[in-house]
Amino acid sequence: DADVTQTPRNRITKTGKRIMLECSQTKGHDRMYWYRQDPGLGLRLIYYSFDVKDINKGEISDGYSVSRQAQAKFSLSLESAIPNQTALYFCATSEHSGGSNEKLFFGSGTQLSVL
Amino acid sequence: GDSVTQMEGPVTLSEEAFLTINCTYTATGYPSLFWYVQYPGEGLQLLLKATKADDKGSNKGFEATYRKETTSFHLEKGSVQVSDSAVYFCALSEDSSASKIIFGSGTRLSIRP
Repeated sequence: DADVTQTPRNRITKTGKRIMLECSQTKGHDRMYWYRQDPGLGLRLIYYSFDVKDINKGEISDGYSVSRQAQAKFSLSLESAIPNQTALYFCATSEHSGGSNEKLFFGSGTQLSVL
Repeated sequence: GDSVTQMEGPVTLSEEAFLTINCTYTATGYPSLFWYVQYPGEGLQLLLKATKADDKGSNKGFEATYRKETTSFHLEKGSVQVSDSAVYFCALSEDSSASKIIFGSGTRLSIRP
């Protein structure tokens, strides 16, 4: 079983709809992240959470919201989807390492298409 | 701000060819440098890293050397295999926190049998 699981794998929705992408992890990590990947732009950070009570905006948080329901669950919502939110979305986790570089562990991604 | 620039792909090579994927960076301090790899249908995974100048990161036959004088971290492999076909991302971080990692745009590599 995957350590970081994203659902759904693919989603097609219409402009204006509210959708939620879900992420769960079995790695026991405190820190969780949501990224989007666009062709030619690499990965950009949307939101991140260092623990259940901690939520932080990333580089491109406008139009998105998140919820950290438990240590193992971190969901991303698009309140009113628009076509330029069509992208591949990744959830990731890391473990606080107290000084050395934290390593990211990624899920397999959710391909979202907004028509 | 900090940034990472990678060579544009796609890169197509024959099996057993020598591989170089160029990566240069801009940073105000002394970042750690990384290569992540994304195999088809999967998320990214860390391939190798280097944390200070002249360090060489290596894994699975891939190598990259942290060159402060040229602000580069080029990825190399002496003999590629079909199984190396993937997208490769160069990245940097000026902080130990993963929330500070900045990724390049990725380079798609395809290896012909």
